[in-house]
Amino acid sequence: KNEVEQSPQNLTAQEGEFITINCSYSVGISALHWLQQHPGGGIVSLFMLSSGKKKHGRLIATINIQEKHSSLHITASHPRDSAVYICAVEEREYGNKLVFGAGTILRVKS
Amino acid sequence: KAGVTQTPRYLIKTRGQQVTLSCSPISGHRSVSWYQQTPGQGLQFLFEYFSETQRNKGNFPGRFSGRQFSNSRSEMNVSTLELGDSALYLCASLKDSGANVLTFGAGSRLTVL
Repeated sequence: KNEVEQSPQNLTAQEGEFITINCSYSVGISALHWLQQHPGGGIVSLFMLSSGKKKHGRLIATINIQEKHSSLHITASHPRDSAVYICAVEEREYGNKLVFGAGTILRVKS
Repeated sequence: KAGVTQTPRYLIKTRGQQVTLSCSPISGHRSVSWYQQTPGQGLQFLFEYFSETQRNKGNFPGRFSGRQFSNSRSEMNVSTLELGDSALYLCASLKDSGANVLTFGAGSRLTVL
């Protein structure tokens, strides 16, 4: 079993829909990252969370440390949100060593 | 301010050769970490350097090595290349240890023939 599991693996949405991507992990963590990767490879860090909730524009990320679960929400989705979204955790005893989920491929259709 | 710069962006090598990739972090960032991304394995952590010292290491064979210089620039080296080493190699920088957001470079795409 992978230490970081994401769901769904693939997601197709219509423009304007509310989107949720989930991430569950099995290890003790010091922080969780949500990353976005567009075709061509470039990775952008969206959020780093150690507790609670963060919001940036149409993106919202939440984390429940007790349940070892995080969600990334996209409100009013747009075709430019089409990308791979990757969850990564910093294992508590290993500092900045990241363990990655397999990613969620999101396609938003207009 | 300049982002994280990785060179070269693309390179082709043959089996048995070695390769050196470079990463220049954002000015003032002291932590540099390296990652390998392949279609089969996804993103995997290679190692992290902080103030010229390797602080963390992933589960890769000894053919993969790295170092960091006093100006925080980092290099990674892969010796005796194998076909399976074909991948996108990404580096990311942090200002210092602890709770900081990573900034990634555009990556170096290595093809091993």
